[in-house]
Amino acid sequence: DQQVKQNSPSLSVQEGRISILNCDYTNSMFDYFLWYKKYPAEGPTFLISISSIKDKNEDGRFTVFLNKSAKHLSLHIVPSQPGDSAVYFCAASAGAGSYQLTFGKGTKLSVIP
Amino acid sequence: DSGVTQTPKHLITATGQRVTLRCSPRSGDLSVYWYQQSLDQGLQFLIQYYNGEERAKGNILERFSAQQFPDLHSELNLSSLELGDSALYFCASSAGGQGLGYTFGSGTRLTVV
Repeated sequence: DQQVKQNSPSLSVQEGRISILNCDYTNSMFDYFLWYKKYPAEGPTFLISISSIKDKNEDGRFTVFLNKSAKHLSLHIVPSQPGDSAVYFCAASAGAGSYQLTFGKGTKLSVIP
Repeated sequence: DSGVTQTPKHLITATGQRVTLRCSPRSGDLSVYWYQQSLDQGLQFLIQYYNGEERAKGNILERFSAQQFPDLHSELNLSSLELGDSALYFCASSAGGQGLGYTFGSGTRLTVV
C-alpha cells in the first residue's frame, strides 16, 4: 500500500515555464512533507519542506503548496531551468519524533532548452 | 560531496552470498538511516541508528542487519542474498533523532546474479 503517490513518472517542460510536480498521500497522520531532488549517480538532496500547519512555503524559485483536505501537495518551479532536470521525490513523516520518511516513487523532470 | 560517504559504490555478488555496505555520516551527525531503492520504487526505509543505538525499524528483512559503531560509521549487512535484493542502498545522516533534513550519500548499487 503506497502511502505517498507521485502519479506522473515523468514531466517535460520548456525552459522558462512553470514546472508543477504533484504528490498525493493517504496517511492522515503525516504532518511534515519534503521534496528531494536526485541527479543520476548521486543521492537525493533536500529541496524544500512544509509543515501541515502551513499551506505554502517558498524558497526562491521553488514553492510547495499543501492542501490537507485533499491530501495533496505540489511543487512549483518558476522559472524552470535546464539544471532542474532531475528526479523529484516527495516524502512525508508522521508526528514529532518520527524518524522515518515515506517516499513516493519520484517524477523525472526534463526541462527543455 | 554531501559529506556522507558510502562504500563501495558498486557491488556484484552471487545469490546466497553475504555483503557489507559501509556508511560514514556527515561530521557531527549522530543519526544514520538506511534506505533501499529497488527498480521503479521509491526509497524504502530500512533502519535508523542514533548514537550507536537502534532507534527505528522499517521494512527490513530478517536476512538484513545493521549496526552503528562508536565512531558513528554504520554498516548494513545483507546475507543469503536473493536476486530481488538487487537495488540501490542509500545511507543518510542527520544531526538529531528527527528524520528531517537528511543528507544522503551517493548510494551503493548492489547487483545479485
